[in-house]
Amino acid sequence: AQRVTQPEKLLSVFKGAPVELKCNYSYSGSPELFWYVQYSRQRLQLLLRHISRESIKGFTADLNKGETSFHLKKPFAQEEDSAMYYCALRSWSNQFYFGTGTSLTVIP
Amino acid sequence: NAGVTQTPKFQVLKTGQSMTLQCAQDMNHEYMSWYRQDPGMGLRLIHYSVGAGITDQGEVPNGYNVSRSTTEDFPLRLLSAAPSQTSVYFCASSTPRRPDRVYNEQFFGPGTRLTVL
Repeated sequence: AQRVTQPEKLLSVFKGAPVELKCNYSYSGSPELFWYVQYSRQRLQLLLRHISRESIKGFTADLNKGETSFHLKKPFAQEEDSAMYYCALRSWSNQFYFGTGTSLTVIP
Repeated sequence: NAGVTQTPKFQVLKTGQSMTLQCAQDMNHEYMSWYRQDPGMGLRLIHYSVGAGITDQGEVPNGYNVSRSTTEDFPLRLLSAAPSQTSVYFCASSTPRRPDRVYNEQFFGPGTRLTVL
């Protein structure tokens, strides 16, 4: 069964500190992984996708197939990073499976 | 392009009432889905559709119906609202995952905040 696990419901860091949001997945195939961000009372929007290996707003995420992880990282957190972050997996049948989300608060 | 649109933005229902949440997309996406978002539970898939005339159940389909008569529209019907259906509902659309399509992200609507009293 496909599953996405985000172990931290809440995460608080100080401004300028590094931040890592954890995501682990289980999938018996080649997954397509994404990070979505939701700012307060807004729609979800794509932050990163593993296939493009890009850095958006200073965030990066590396797919580690050995550890089945796709952790989101940023070296220096900013106040505007405070949001809800969802890790998502897309299967070959086109279904998206979302984690339960991590609420990140960056303390000034 | 307007992307994915949803109406209404807010709705209050009484237990037992029925209503339809509207969702439309203008990106010619084959794949559309409905999620509900609840605190501590993330997004849970209610129903999805891989194309006009084709729908299927997701993780939490009970109490909801969908239809897909056109590529653009994917309405969600609450048959007899219950307080447990108080939630924020998101509609999303995407293209199917194919090897020749590198970017297959899912686009979300702004959400409908539903309260059932």
